[in-house]
Amino acid sequence: QQQVKQSPQSLIVQKGGISIINCAYENTAFDYFPWYQQFPGKGPALLIAIRPDVSEKKEGRFTISFNKSAKQFSLHIMDSQPGDSATYFCAVLNTNAGKSTFGDGTTLTVKP
Amino acid sequence: DTGVSQDPRHKITKRGQNVTFRCDPISEHNRLYWYRQTLGQGPEFLTYFQNEAQLEKSRLLSDRFSAERPKGSFSTLEIQRTEQGDSAMYLCASSGLAGETQYFGPGTRLLVL
Repeated sequence: QQQVKQSPQSLIVQKGGISIINCAYENTAFDYFPWYQQFPGKGPALLIAIRPDVSEKKEGRFTISFNKSAKQFSLHIMDSQPGDSATYFCAVLNTNAGKSTFGDGTTLTVKP
Repeated sequence: DTGVSQDPRHKITKRGQNVTFRCDPISEHNRLYWYRQTLGQGPEFLTYFQNEAQLEKSRLLSDRFSAERPKGSFSTLEIQRTEQGDSAMYLCASSGLAGETQYFGPGTRLLVL
């Protein structure tokens, strides 16, 4: 069973555009929903995260929208830049259980 | 303040050999995690420690895999009798007790020939 489904698999956006990546999960026991950014040859780095008691969180150009009833959350990157070109992973976590379950990733390309 | 470090960064071995990887977490972090990542996939959870106690192991972790964190600081991941299917990036992460923000190391890329 795939607990986290991420879409799209790849995304091409023009510089200055909005990038939107979606995740859907199955288990309601999760209590933390992070997004990670990964560049080639590097480990994932936490970008932004949200708890289920909040519907939206914004940090700079990055926003998470969270829909608890639909068990979905999304990452919006405003004013996308070529430097944002990377692979993005959503994850779900039960902080008591410890482990994170990751989506399969979205490769974002921002064209100048 | 240094981040999570892993050693070696790359390892090439022949099938059947044993390999050991090391992870040094952020010094004040109680929790340490191991993940495996194959090309085009997200990281898959393998195991995690809270201090020196190994609290959870994935069903993915066969008997050939063992991890230790003897003094609650650095950790080692050993793979015995490596198989070609073990070729992957092995990632280590650490976090505080709250377990929310996990900081990842650069990974060890393993190639089994």
